[in-house]
Amino acid sequence: GAGVSQTPSNKVTEKGKYVELRCDPISGHTALYWYRQSLGQGPEFLIYFQGTGAADDSGLPNDRFFAVRPEGSVSTLKIQRTERGDSAVYLCANSLLRGRTDTQYFGPGTRLTVL
Amino acid sequence: GNSVTQMEGPVTLSEEAFLTINCTYTATGYPSLFWYVQYPGEGLQLLLKATKADDKGSNKGFEATYRKETTSFHLEKGSVQVSDSAVYFCALDSGGGADGLTFGKGTHLIIQP
Repeated sequence: GAGVSQTPSNKVTEKGKYVELRCDPISGHTALYWYRQSLGQGPEFLIYFQGTGAADDSGLPNDRFFAVRPEGSVSTLKIQRTERGDSAVYLCANSLLRGRTDTQYFGPGTRLTVL
Repeated sequence: GNSVTQMEGPVTLSEEAFLTINCTYTATGYPSLFWYVQYPGEGLQLLLKATKADDKGSNKGFEATYRKETTSFHLEKGSVQVSDSAVYFCALDSGGGADGLTFGKGTHLIIQP
C-alpha cells in the first residue's frame, strides 16, 4: 500500500475488556514499531519488530500489553483487562530497515478510549 | 537514557514572522535527529532529519542544524504561513535496535493571519 494503515481509527471500550489494534505496514518495510501517545505528550515507544520476532519490547508498560507479527507483515497490539489509564492514541510506524538513520513512517493511529 | 527537551507551547506568531523552536537532547552514542509535524486531523509526518554532526536538514522552508557541541537541533523558518500551524515534535534515534524514537513533548505552533 501507499502508507501505513491502522484499524480501527477509534475504539471505545469498557474497563476490563480486551482489545486488539491492527497495523498494516508498507510492503517490504521490515522494521515495525508501536508507540503510545497520551494527550499533550510525544509518542512513547512500546515495542519493535524486526521480521516476525519482537526484537525489543522494553517499552511495554506491563504484562497486559502484548503484540504479535506472525508473518512479518501485519501486526496486532493486544491489551488485556483494559484500564482507564490505557486511553491514548496508539501509533504504528514502519521503516525500511532498522538503523539510526532510517526514517520511520507513521500510520494515522487508533484512538483508544476506556470508559 | 535518551531524552529530548523542546520549548513549551503554544507558540503564536503572525504570518511572515521568523520562527525558532528550540530542541536539545541527551543521548548515548551518535544519534540521528528528526523533526516530525502533526497537522490538525492528520498523522505524524517527517519534516526533516540530520544524521551526523553539522548536517543541516531542510524541507518546505524549514531548517535545522545538528549541533553536537550544544546538543541541539533547533527548528527555524524565515517566514511562516498560516498553513504551518501544527504541532512539531523533535525526536532522536540512537540506533542499535533499542527504544525506537525518543520524542519531545511537542510544540503547538499557531500562525495568525
